[in-house]
This record gives sequence, C-alpha cells and structure tokens, in this order.
Amino acid sequence: AQTVTQSQPEMSVQEAETVTLSCTYDTSESDYYLFWYKQPPSRQMILVIRQEAYKQQNATENRFSVNFQKAAKSFSLKISDSQLGDAAMYFCAYRYNAGNMLTFGGGTRLMVKP
Amino acid sequence: KAGVTQTPRYLIKTRGQQVTLSCSPISGHRSVSWYQQTPGQGLQFLFEYFSETQRNKGNFPGRFSGRQFSNSRSEMNVSTLELGDSALYLCASSATNPGSYEQYFGPGTRLTVT
Repeated sequence: AQTVTQSQPEMSVQEAETVTLSCTYDTSESDYYLFWYKQPPSRQMILVIRQEAYKQQNATENRFSVNFQKAAKSFSLKISDSQLGDAAMYFCAYRYNAGNMLTFGGGTRLMVKP
Repeated sequence: KAGVTQTPRYLIKTRGQQVTLSCSPISGHRSVSWYQQTPGQGLQFLFEYFSETQRNKGNFPGRFSGRQFSNSRSEMNVSTLELGDSALYLCASSATNPGSYEQYFGPGTRLTVT
C-alpha cells in the first residue's frame, strides 16, 4: 500500500521569506502523480502544484516549486516570498496512474508571521 | 464555470441515524471521489464513482455507501451513525478521461454525530 509522510506537523516563516515543507512517500509503482494541496481555514482544498513522476524537471507555479527526488521518494514544496495568505494546512498527496484515489500525508500547518 | 458544490454544508445527527450527503461535480466531470477528514485519521479516501460505477473503494465499513446518477451528481450514505463518523466529508470531481489527474474539491459537509 502506498503511504505518504509529512514529518513537520507545524512550520513557521517570516513574511517575504522562503520555507520548505517536506514529504516522503512509499510506492512500488513507477507511474504516478504527486500533489501539494492547500487547505485554508475555510476548509476548501486548493491544488497548489502537481508533479508527474515520469518528468525529471521539477514543477514550478509562480512562488511555489517542488524538489522531486524520485529515487529517494521525496517531494518537498518550496514557497518563496511567503505571504500572509499562504498560512494554511498543506497536504502532500500521491496518486497512481490508474484511477483517482488520492493518498494524503498528515499535513503541515504553515504559519506566516508579519 | 461553477465549482463543486456539496449539500448540506453542516449537519447534526444522532447516533444510530442515517445520513445522505450530496455532491454536484463541475459540469462535464464524470468522476466523483469522496474523502473523510478527521483530526485523528486525517484525510482518507472513501470511494470513487465514474459513469455511475464505483471504480475504487477505500477501507471503510459497509455502513458507508455511495452512488452516482446519470448527471454525474453523487450521494454518499452513512447508516447507523457512530460518534466516530463525525468528520468533514469532502467531494472531488475530475474531468472525463479516466486517470485525469486534476481533482477539484468542494467546500465539504461538516457532519457532527451526537
């Protein structure tokens, strides 16, 4: 069974600085997708960024980028120029190629200090 | 394009009762997945429906069931409610292609069992 682990229950960052959230996963599949979702206090899950396992290039979306290390099964999220609106729970998620079942990590609560 | 909608948003039920939650996917999306979110267990996959057929099922007891209608709207039912069923239930929809990786989440239904 696939598992996703987020070892940092809470992280704090100063506004305008950079923070990295960690995620490791375990799978025997070779073709899969990885995601970072943001869940603000409103509870609406928002997709932040995705990475296809077959792509070697790390995904980037504006201030958000990932460091995907397939051999190490590591998938970290870097948030640059942190903003107050980035404060939320962040979930790392895994999905194998067939089907739409997401396996989530336990989440990291990110606090942004003004 | 309207997002994923879930009704009701909040629900209070008594142990032993049953409950039905509804999810309307984004127009054109044929895959609907359900997740349970609790502080103790985190986000767990319940089941996925695609074209009115259950395609994947998580590790939940038979008290949890679902269905999908021809218009892709989905319902999930929980019978004989237990206190531990108190949770945020999230619905997510995906586009028509099986395996499409983009899942869009609804705002959730907060179920409280007393």
